[in-house]
Amino acid sequence: DAGITQSPRHKVTETGTPVTLRCHQTENHRYMYWYRQDPGHGLRLIHYSYGVKDTDKGEVSDGYSVSRSKTEDFLLTLESATSSQTSVYFCAISAAANYGYTFGSGTRLTVV
Amino acid sequence: DQQVKQNSPSLSVQEGRISILNCDYTNSMFDYFLWYKKYPAEGPTFLISISSIKDKNEDGRFTVFLNKSAKHLSLHIVPSQPGDSAVYFCAASERTDSWGKFQFGAGTQVVVTP
Repeated sequence: DAGITQSPRHKVTETGTPVTLRCHQTENHRYMYWYRQDPGHGLRLIHYSYGVKDTDKGEVSDGYSVSRSKTEDFLLTLESATSSQTSVYFCAISAAANYGYTFGSGTRLTVV
Repeated sequence: DQQVKQNSPSLSVQEGRISILNCDYTNSMFDYFLWYKKYPAEGPTFLISISSIKDKNEDGRFTVFLNKSAKHLSLHIVPSQPGDSAVYFCAASERTDSWGKFQFGAGTQVVVTP
């Protein structure tokens, strides 16, 4: 039921390199979100979007940027990856505010 | 500071028994709550929701209870089945939040033993 797909599923990168994660949806949902999952912290919001070119910061946005040039794509960029950004990243979509999310399968990122 | 807390990182329960997962929140403005279930290497999937106008919501084997005065909610799974072994996250939001942002707890790993 791949209404939302994330790519890549796994990535290993070196400290200091830029990394871009992609979230693609086929549901035409307005809202898109990037979360990271870390042990003991659960899911924490990095950035979110409420429309094309409309984005804002979440609680853990330092070191990350996002872009949304089309309804279906939401990109998360680590400008210069650090080991603290080793995590599992989840994209989520929602048809309306406070409607609940549909999550992608996640991207496991390791920064060495 | 985490506004949604799941203080039990893990729970082990026998098949057929009740699983009770707890979640506490600190923000009194939260008025909409969700539970998600997550299997390894998959994204979280929606399980059940409750809004602050209710104190209970049922869906099959899953029931969520909300105690607004205590800022506490719980998820009951009856009877527990091996397929329920997963990580469970509770999440909370304010309905007035125009962007639909949810705060998540740290999760509880449930293991259902035969």
